[in-house]
Amino acid sequence: DTEVTQTPKHLVMGMTNKKSLKCEQHMGHRAMYWYKQKAKKPPELMFVYSYEKLSINESVPSRFSPECPNSSLLNLHLHALQPEDSALYLCASSRTGGAGYGYTFGSGTRLTVV
Amino acid sequence: DAKTTQPPSMDCAEGRAANLPCNHSTISGNEYVYWYRQIHSQGPQYIIHGLKNNETNEMASLIITEDRKSSTLILPHATLRDTAVYYCIVRVGGGGADGLTFGKGTHLIIQP
Repeated sequence: DTEVTQTPKHLVMGMTNKKSLKCEQHMGHRAMYWYKQKAKKPPELMFVYSYEKLSINESVPSRFSPECPNSSLLNLHLHALQPEDSALYLCASSRTGGAGYGYTFGSGTRLTVV
Repeated sequence: DAKTTQPPSMDCAEGRAANLPCNHSTISGNEYVYWYRQIHSQGPQYIIHGLKNNETNEMASLIITEDRKSSTLILPHATLRDTAVYYCIVRVGGGGADGLTFGKGTHLIIQP
């Protein structure tokens, strides 16, 4: 299995809702990442998990809460989002050696906040 | 990681070679050049990488100048499916789990 699977593919949520994005990989990668991508912009790194521990938080607002329950699964819990948080959320994984060619990205969750 | 500069957009005729330039004049000796692409509404996809020598794989060729301050990604026979944003990224090869940093990239449009 050489894929990163993200669910759901599309999500519409209200500003008072709580929702979660899910990311799964079975490549044995011990580093996992969340990126946010606005329209016509490059992906921006949000969080990095290494060996199931949060190692990098790029000053992301607390309404985004990541979780790594095990080495194959990464979640992003969403609460009290704003319309400007609407974006494509991408998950990626890699070996912790971090060679730049080794990143595998999912197809993303397109989030709309209304 | 060294900064990269790419043209914002390029056109190429289907069946011709697409040559995408990247400038990385501040690259360090231990930094590699990586290329990823992102087809509309999909996640980025690894294409190729190199340190000093030219590299070729089934997708593309990478030509790095002798002074390593610039490089060119070559798609030898472009098809409509190659329309995408192409990102040139420079970073240390074994940089650890710190994520890839994407610049603005080049939007390559393959014309029929």
